[in-house]
Amino acid sequence: AQTVTQSQPEMSVQEAETVTLSCTYDTSESDYYLFWYKQPPSRQMILVIRQEAYKQQNATENRFSVNFQKAAKSFSLKISDSQLGDAAMYFCAYRSQETSGSRLTFGEGTQLTVNP
Amino acid sequence: DTGVSQNPRHKITKRGQNVTFRCDPISEHNRLYWYRQTLGQGPEFLTYFQNEAQLEKSRLLSDRFSAERPKGSFSTLEIQRTEQGDSAMYLCASSLPGPGFRLFFGSGTQLSVL
Repeated sequence: AQTVTQSQPEMSVQEAETVTLSCTYDTSESDYYLFWYKQPPSRQMILVIRQEAYKQQNATENRFSVNFQKAAKSFSLKISDSQLGDAAMYFCAYRSQETSGSRLTFGEGTQLTVNP
Repeated sequence: DTGVSQNPRHKITKRGQNVTFRCDPISEHNRLYWYRQTLGQGPEFLTYFQNEAQLEKSRLLSDRFSAERPKGSFSTLEIQRTEQGDSAMYLCASSLPGPGFRLFFGSGTQLSVL
């Protein structure tokens, strides 16, 4: 079974600075998808960014980018020019290409605080 | 696209009572997922449907839990004889088929069992 580990329960960053959230995963599959979701206090899960494992190029979405290291099974999220609205719980998630249903498996989350 | 809708937003019940939650997915999505999330943890998979067929259930889904998706549209999740350990946020998500399609999540139903 796949597992996702986020080793940083809490992180903080100053407004306008850059922060990196870590995620590692364990899988025996070669093809899969990785995601970062944001969950603000409203508890609504919002997709931040998605990475396809067969693509070597790291995904970027405006101020959000990932560092995907397939051999190391590492998938970190970098937030540049942090804004107060970025404060939330961030979850790393794995989605199999092969198993039926393609459920998401989530990590434990990292609580990000943005200081003004 | 009106998003995934869940009702009610909050439910308080006494131990031993039955509760039912409803999820209305995005209309063209034939995949529907239920997750459970306790405070400070990531969501845990419970079950999923493709159209009206329930194709997978987690071991977390005890016999007291049942989910349905009649006609492949909305879904209900029922918990019978609730226990205090059932207190959690229950999240519904929907997607098009295939792992490359993103899951859209509802705002969840927060269950408190007293």
